[in-house]
Amino acid sequence: TQLLEQSPQFLSIQEGENLTVYCNSSSVFSSLQWYRQEPGEGPVLLVTVVTGGEVKKLKRLTFQFGDARKDSSLHITAAQPGDTGLYLCAGARVNNNAGNMLTFGGGTRLMVKP
Amino acid sequence: NAGVTQTPKFQVLKTGQSMTLQCAQDMNHEYMSWYRQDPGMGLRLIHYSVGAGITDQGEVPNGYNVSRSTTEDFPLRLLSAAPSQTSVYFCASSYLGRTYEQYFGPGTRLTVT
Repeated sequence: TQLLEQSPQFLSIQEGENLTVYCNSSSVFSSLQWYRQEPGEGPVLLVTVVTGGEVKKLKRLTFQFGDARKDSSLHITAAQPGDTGLYLCAGARVNNNAGNMLTFGGGTRLMVKP
Repeated sequence: NAGVTQTPKFQVLKTGQSMTLQCAQDMNHEYMSWYRQDPGMGLRLIHYSVGAGITDQGEVPNGYNVSRSTTEDFPLRLLSAAPSQTSVYFCASSYLGRTYEQYFGPGTRLTVT
């Protein structure tokens, strides 16, 4: 069982549709990040949310951090083929041994068809 | 800035062989880490370092060693390769702080036969 559960795992939609991806945990995080990864490349940071209840917008993407800082969502409005990729959430939390650790969810693979 | 660089891009090993995956960053980041990515598993942390001379284990450290002699470099050593280590390996770096926003390298695709 992963610490961060993402849903859905796969999503195939038509251009112009809206979608929401969820990232859930029973643990509290000091911050939560969303990354997008394209085939053959490393993940690229989209946004970081820090405060419970925080909402951030990046063009057609809206990110929300849950009030209790245990969950997050990514909403895409009017999806375009260029949004196709693997979306990963990652939570930063204190590791009792040393410093912080970043834990990733399993990812949501999005395909937007023209 | 080159950012985070990784070599090699691809590697094929036989079971039992050893090798070192190289990672370097030129952003003066204190925090560096190694992840492996397997289908449906997201990214799993292998080892990480909060500064030169300081390393610690992540979620899946068995079969891997790391060292951090300089701020810039963080090599990952596979001691005796096994087919279960077939994966894509990513190195990442960030500043220390509350958010740990990661900058990733392009990855190394490793196949162990």
